[in-house]
Amino acid sequence: KQEVTQIPAALSVPEGENLVLNCSFTDSAIYNLQWFRQDPGKGLTSLLLIQSSQREQTSGRLNASLDKSSGRSTLYIAASQPGDSATYLCAVTLNNNDMRFGAGTRLTVKP
Amino acid sequence: DTAVSQTPKYLVTQMGNDKSIKCEQNLGHDTMYWYKQDSKKFLKIMFSYNNKELIINETVPNRFSPKSPDKAHLNLHINSLELGDSAVYFCASSQELGRLGEKLFFGSGTQLSVL
Repeated sequence: KQEVTQIPAALSVPEGENLVLNCSFTDSAIYNLQWFRQDPGKGLTSLLLIQSSQREQTSGRLNASLDKSSGRSTLYIAASQPGDSATYLCAVTLNNNDMRFGAGTRLTVKP
Repeated sequence: DTAVSQTPKYLVTQMGNDKSIKCEQNLGHDTMYWYKQDSKKFLKIMFSYNNKELIINETVPNRFSPKSPDKAHLNLHINSLELGDSAVYFCASSQELGRLGEKLFFGSGTQLSVL
């Protein structure tokens, strides 16, 4: 049974700081892992998608890594900005196209 | 400027009624989806659809039916609502047909409560 855990639940940092969000999953039989951003009252936006055969993906100031064997993924945000403030969710896609989400990390970047 | 929008955000209704949830995407994507979320944040895919192919999860009761008036819309119709239909329903879209590994963009969800 797949469980997805995200640590920390909330994080507050000053502007400009680099930060790491963590995601762990219990079953390594995943098809891919996605990191999403959710702003209050809005939908989920996919930030990065890592296929199970890949180790990392980069987009701008974001870098996501995947270690499938240990059941871990990290999202690294460089030079954080107040506009990065949001809830970040990781989700694993299972082989039947179902998805399991973590509870999210609520990030606040203070000016 | 919301990419994937669904309405209503909350829907409370009586058992036995028929209801619809609307979904629209302005991303120009070819494929749209409906997911049902359980209390543990587990999303189960219900349908994936583009203008060529509808893929139905075989576990979905036939009381649920997707209706797509055009490429940017995929509405979810539910007939004879049951208590067990209470859940959060998410619409999503992607560039290509619903094969594994697609980058998905989700709506904010519709919380359905059947009384």
